[in-house]
Amino acid sequence: NAGVTQTPKFQVLKTGQSMTLQCAQDMNHNSMYWYRQDPGMGLRLIYYSASEGTTDKGEVPNGYNVSRLNKREFSLRLESAAPSQTSVYFCASSDWQGPGNTIYFGEGSWLTVV
Amino acid sequence: KNQVEQSPQSLIILEGKNCTLQCNYTVSPFSNLRWYKQDTGRGPVSLTIMTFSENTKSNGRYTATLDADTKQSSLHITASQLSDSASYICVVSELSSTSGTYKYIFGTGTRLKVLA
Repeated sequence: NAGVTQTPKFQVLKTGQSMTLQCAQDMNHNSMYWYRQDPGMGLRLIYYSASEGTTDKGEVPNGYNVSRLNKREFSLRLESAAPSQTSVYFCASSDWQGPGNTIYFGEGSWLTVV
Repeated sequence: KNQVEQSPQSLIILEGKNCTLQCNYTVSPFSNLRWYKQDTGRGPVSLTIMTFSENTKSNGRYTATLDADTKQSSLHITASQLSDSASYICVVSELSSTSGTYKYIFGTGTRLKVLA
């Protein structure tokens, strides 16, 4: 049982390049999330998918797009990377998008945009 | 202004000692409060979750308390171990009156270092 798996672990991009972060969960969870974590700031929600077939913007969606490919997979795409997108990205999942549900996080993806 | 404030920012203690981490929040309406542990280079892992009606919850050597009236929570670590060295993050969930969905608001964390 791997939980939440995200790839790649590390990536360096040049400004303007595009890339996709992949995420998969094997817990049969309905809700999935993408967060970014920056020094001195709490985790911030980029996009989430409350259930298969739906996606919604979070707190900081600009410059990102997402795809809920199926119940297991939720990808995050940077169309034209900017230095401000240098961050650690976490994919997460929960049974449902609700207060009583524990959110399980992946191990993180370190992205540097130069 | 961050709606979830944690203190101290960092803390160093000796192995075997106890410590208490603080979380103050202004989120309203409040639904529940979680504490997460994040090891360096890893994703956060849930320690406890409490609703507004719960005052205390334990998970091994970790005990979380909640005072919903004063909007304060604490995480007490007993008999600390080297493996307790990590960041501890307080997360408060808020129900959006406009969207009807829940929003999780993360504190910036307390970085704990346990020395041998």
